[in-house]
Amino acid sequence: AQKITQTQPGMFVQEKEAVTLDCTYDTSDPSYGLFWYKQPSSGEMIFLIYQGSYDQQNATEGRYSLNFQKARKSANLVISASQLGDSAMYFCAMREGGGYSTLTFGKGTMLLVSP
Amino acid sequence: EAGVAQSPRYKIIEKRQSVAFWCNPISGHATLYWYQQILGQGPKLLIQFQNNGVVDDSQLPKDRFSAERLKGVDSTLKIQPAKLEDSAVYLCASSLRPTPSYGYTFGSGTRLTVV
Repeated sequence: AQKITQTQPGMFVQEKEAVTLDCTYDTSDPSYGLFWYKQPSSGEMIFLIYQGSYDQQNATEGRYSLNFQKARKSANLVISASQLGDSAMYFCAMREGGGYSTLTFGKGTMLLVSP
Repeated sequence: EAGVAQSPRYKIIEKRQSVAFWCNPISGHATLYWYQQILGQGPKLLIQFQNNGVVDDSQLPKDRFSAERLKGVDSTLKIQPAKLEDSAVYLCASSLRPTPSYGYTFGSGTRLTVV
């Protein structure tokens, strides 16, 4: 079974609008971390935001916020006031607790921001 | 702090040839990872090192791929012989701790094309 599911292959948004990128996850481990990374066309993976499974509040980092709904096992990324430079691939990833855990990535969502 | 360094940035080889990639993680990061990212997909873990020991290489095609991490610092990933399906971006990442709350810092990747 997929551990991380990103159902939107591509999203379009106009500059200055908000956009939500969907992510659902599957784990039975009570301790886990959820991450979002941005990958521009240049290829590097840029860390955006982190949410721990025990965190009571939704994470925020500047224009990025994570809509964490634990019961639904969803961790959607919200980008407010989109900018042209936000056009990139976005990956949701999870790291489960216990042992030497690794990041498992979803297939990604391509976001295109138009003027 | 300096980021994760990878070289070369790009490599084109013919099938059945061999190739090696180099990675220098962030100083002090004990955990090092190699991921393979095929075009249009999310990164897939190949191997994880903790210091100079292998923690997880279950998804490494060991008949043709090998990796080592000398003295718990630099790491080299080798493919011999290469196949067409090895064309991908090879990402190296490091992490301070192998636990859920610690994310990765990625290098810029090596884009391999096998012709």
